[in-house]
Amino acid sequence: SQQGEEDPQALSIQEGENATMNCSYKTSINNLQWYRQNSGRGLVHLILIRSNEREKHSGRLRVTLDTSKKSSSLLITASRAADTASYFCATDYGGSNYKLTFGKGTLLTVNP
Amino acid sequence: NAGVTQTPKFQVLKTGQSMTLQCAQDMNHEYMSWYRQDPGMGLRLIHYSVGAGITDQGEVPNGYNVSRSTTEDFPLRLLSAAPSQTSVYFCASSPELAGPDTQYFGPGTRLTVL
Repeated sequence: SQQGEEDPQALSIQEGENATMNCSYKTSINNLQWYRQNSGRGLVHLILIRSNEREKHSGRLRVTLDTSKKSSSLLITASRAADTASYFCATDYGGSNYKLTFGKGTLLTVNP
Repeated sequence: NAGVTQTPKFQVLKTGQSMTLQCAQDMNHEYMSWYRQDPGMGLRLIHYSVGAGITDQGEVPNGYNVSRSTTEDFPLRLLSAAPSQTSVYFCASSPELAGPDTQYFGPGTRLTVL
C-alpha cells in the first residue's frame, strides 16, 4: 500500500502564480522527500525534509512538514512553464527499513 | 559521470518470455532499487539492495528476480513475462547506506508484454 497521497491530483495555473501541493501519510516517518518527473523522463530529487524539521527552502521551492497532522506541502513560487511536471512525495520509516514509498503524484500544468 | 543508466529504453515481449533489464551506476552508491510505474499508481518498489551481495523484496516482488554481484550493477530479471508486467521500470541509486535518502533515477525502460 502507498504511504503518501498527494492532493490535488491535478493542478492548472498561469505562469507567475504560486502552486501548492499537499502530501498526507499514515505512519511515522524518518524523512519526506519531493521529486519531480517531466513527461517520459525519470524522477528528479527536489528536496528532503527530516522528521525533526518544519520547513525547508530551495530556490523557489518551500516545503513544510507537520508531523502532528502527518502532512507536508510543497510550494512553488512564481511558477514557470518549465515547472510543468508531475510531483511526487516519498516517505521512509527509517531504522532498518530501507524502503522508500511514493505517492501517486500531482500533475502540475503551468500555462504561459 | 553518466549517473544511472538503464538498457534497453523500450522492449516488447510475448507472454512467457524472459528478459533482463540492465541498470548500472558509476557513483559508487551502495543503495540501489527498482520501481515500476503504472498510470495513476505512482511508483511501487519491486526490489532493493543495500550493497553487493545483499538484496531484499519491496512492495511488488512477485515475478521478478534481482542480484547484486557488484556495487555498480543491479539487473532485474523477468522470469516469465505476463501482460500485468507491462509498465515503465525505473532503477535508482542512493549514496546513503543508512536509508533511502536522495535517490538518483535512471531514464526508465518502457516494457510491453503482449
